[in-house]
Amino acid sequence: NAGVMQNPRHLVRRRGQEARLRCSPMKGHSHVYWYRQLPEEGLKFMVYLQKENIIDESGMPKERFSAEFPKEGPSILRIQQVVRGDSAAYFCASSPWGLAGETQYFGPGTRLLVL
Amino acid sequence: AQSVTQLDSQVPVFEEAPVELRCNYSSSVSVYLFWYVQYPNQGLQLLLKYLSGSTLVESINGFEAEFNKSQTSFHLRKPSVHISDTAEYFCAVSDRVGGGSEKLVFGKGTKLTVNP
Repeated sequence: NAGVMQNPRHLVRRRGQEARLRCSPMKGHSHVYWYRQLPEEGLKFMVYLQKENIIDESGMPKERFSAEFPKEGPSILRIQQVVRGDSAAYFCASSPWGLAGETQYFGPGTRLLVL
Repeated sequence: AQSVTQLDSQVPVFEEAPVELRCNYSSSVSVYLFWYVQYPNQGLQLLLKYLSGSTLVESINGFEAEFNKSQTSFHLRKPSVHISDTAEYFCAVSDRVGGGSEKLVFGKGTKLTVNP
């Protein structure tokens, strides 16, 4: 059973460009979480999605960031007009039922560098 | 709102020595508690978690953590560490109430370095 997959693993963008980060959850998991890890910081929650629905986006910056989890295909975290402060590691995690206390399984992350 | 404090950002120890990584949390509601481990350039892996029952939980590789409600702590311990335990360890909490988002709130992490 393949784990959570993220691609690309590394992404370099210039200021003003768009970044698209993809996450394929574990087989059978329909709940996806995105977290951001800034240097020397812990992970910060960004958004929680189920198939075709955003359940909690309380951690998403108000502008330039969006996320989706379509019926078919991976979840996408999109960052428009990137700035240097967006440089970070972005992790997604998945779980089967989205229950309290349930283990979240993490992908290897996408490391975004904005030049 | 919940918060997690990991008191030590870095902990160097010698191989076969005991280690304790400290974690305290603050929350207005009951929480579930987790320890995750992150090896270099990898994602996080669950080490152990406390949901209910015995306050002492163990992992398969010799780590244990004890939930202390009165002190709002969930410290991680191992009696004898190996070189391979070198990694960053994150303590996290999630809301027991659930019903909307089971997001994890993480501490800033503790880098454990095991020296020969």
